[in-house]
Order: sequence, then C-alpha cells, then structure tokens
Amino acid sequence: SQKIEQNSEALNIQEGKTATLTCNYTNYSPAYLQWYRQDPGRGPVFLLLIRENEKEKRKERLKVTFDTTLKQSLFHITASQPADSATYLCALTGGSYIPTFGRGTSLIVHP
Amino acid sequence: GAVVSQHPSRVICKSGTSVKIECRSLDFQATTMFWYRQFPKQSLMLMATSNEGSKATYEQGVEKDKFLINHASLTLSTLTVTSAHPEDSSFYICSASSEYQETQYFGPGTRLLVL
Repeated sequence: SQKIEQNSEALNIQEGKTATLTCNYTNYSPAYLQWYRQDPGRGPVFLLLIRENEKEKRKERLKVTFDTTLKQSLFHITASQPADSATYLCALTGGSYIPTFGRGTSLIVHP
Repeated sequence: GAVVSQHPSRVICKSGTSVKIECRSLDFQATTMFWYRQFPKQSLMLMATSNEGSKATYEQGVEKDKFLINHASLTLSTLTVTSAHPEDSSFYICSASSEYQETQYFGPGTRLLVL
C-alpha cells in the first residue's frame, strides 16, 4: 500500500542553523510533491511545490529537493529562526490529483 | 490571494445535535473543495472531495449520511455533522482549489467538541 514517512520525532536545532526535514515514500508514483507548514490549532499553509521532473526548488530561505529514484524529498530551511518552529507536512499527488499527506515533522528552533 | 475561511473556528455541542461548518474561498472560485479531519499529532485524513454542483465523493469508511457535504456555489461548501457523538470530536479542516491551481489552500480549521 502507499506509504508516506516523515520523521515522527521532533527536530531540535539552534537558531541560525539549517533545518533539514525528510519525506520518504513507497508504492507511489507522484506527479508532484508539496510541503506545507502547520501551526498548532491552525490549517496547513502551502509553502512549495516540486514536480517529478524537477530536482530542486527554492523560495527565499526554503529549498526542496525531489529524488524519484530514492523516493525521497528533502526540505531545507536555511538560517532558521524561532518563528520557523512548526510542524511541516509533505503531500504527494499522483494521477488522481488528490494529495496524500504525511504525518508531519515538528521543528523546534531554539534561540 | 487564495484565502479560505472557515466558520465557526470552534464549536461545543451536545451529543445528538447537528453542527454545520462553513468553508468559503474569499478571492477565487473553488471548483473543488476538500474536507479533512485531524486528530492530535496525526496526519490530515481526507473525508470527502466535492466539486461545485455535484455530489461529494466520500473516502472509504466515511459515512455520507453522517457527514453531509454541500458545495452549492463556487465559493461555499458546508459540512454538517449530523447527530454528533463524542467520538466525532476532532479538528475539521477544509481546503479549496480552482481548476487553474495545482495546490490546495486550507482554511484555519474548526475545533468540534461534542459533550
């Protein structure tokens, strides 16, 4: 069955460092992959979308890579700030155009 | 752009009553709207997908008579939880997309507590 794995343990890093979050998937051929940010008690906010034929996407301090051979996406936040602390969800979309979400990884940036 | 609102943000009701949650796309026409529920520290679980003017498509295991979805216009969808029970207590989130968008835009969510 299709499976999306995000590290369930919180990622703790120091302010100013680069945070790297991982999204692995199995039994899936996504057309594109998205990353969202979710704060407690709030709906997810769209951050970046990367297509299957793209290797990397950047937006300000954010960078996403997509390796369809490894079936993995990496999400990087450079020069992290305490305000970046949140849960980050990856979502994969295949032919049905309905995304499937991972459980998310909590990021905690310490001042 | 691409703002989605939800109302109410939180609701407490007695067991057996029905609760209606509204989802509106404020600055775009949403041809498709999605309803999710989310338990603490869990993933978003898709309940149903609705296209404007059509009946909603429910995911396996979601009772369509219990969770009534109406998508009567390009900017409004409603989810009605009928005869709510404590196990229906959850965080309900809607999202919307137009035919020109690959991504979905989420509402802020509605916290439902059934006593």
